[in-house]
Amino acid sequence: QSALTQPASVSGSPGQSITISCTGTSSDVGGYNYVSWYQQHPGKAPKLMIHGVTNRPSGISNRFSGSKSGNTASLTISGLQAEDEADYYCCSSTSSTTWVFGGGTKLTVL
Amino acid sequence: EVQLVESGGGLVQPGESLRLSCAASGSTLSENWMHWVRQAPGKGLVWVSHIKGVGTSTSYADSVKGRFTISGDNAKNTLYLQMNSLTAEDTAVYYCARGGPNRSFDYWGQGALVTVSS
Repeated sequence: QSALTQPASVSGSPGQSITISCTGTSSDVGGYNYVSWYQQHPGKAPKLMIHGVTNRPSGISNRFSGSKSGNTASLTISGLQAEDEADYYCCSSTSSTTWVFGGGTKLTVL
Repeated sequence: EVQLVESGGGLVQPGESLRLSCAASGSTLSENWMHWVRQAPGKGLVWVSHIKGVGTSTSYADSVKGRFTISGDNAKNTLYLQMNSLTAEDTAVYYCARGGPNRSFDYWGQGALVTVSS
């Protein structure tokens, strides 16, 4: 159950786009379309942003999008806004019906 | 609206036990997968355990297997996490979360802080 690999930090200016990668293995990210992404502001509970690699829950802005290629999933945020500054975590279900998170990525809006 | 409210956190000594509760409203425990996820101070999210329905199937992270037990009470619509043989490495905020579409976590509680220290 090794953690998925995410960059520790990314940054972008308002209006720009950024992409956060999430690399796993064929037993998790690459093997199933069960990748989800979470946004967490300091002191708050995580919030579901993307499920099933590409699907946005109701109420989530279409500025957030997800994709996957092989063992790497990605979250793209377009039209960056100040309120997007937060920690982002990817997560994947695995072949043994467990779940594994990425280490988290701190997004800074410059 | 779905609400999850954790309780039972606190300060315990190494080797002791603690039971966390997660009271659900707006959602029926027996109809959903439910999870516990923890976050050590300043660290990332770590999945801990899941239960399918209430007791039909469970799984655990290797780090807690054999020490933690997840369970639920249909009548009280409440999820539990029994934690035994606690160590300092178990110090974290523990969140309960409801299983959502595509094996995601769609609703989260506010978290309960567990501190293991002598």
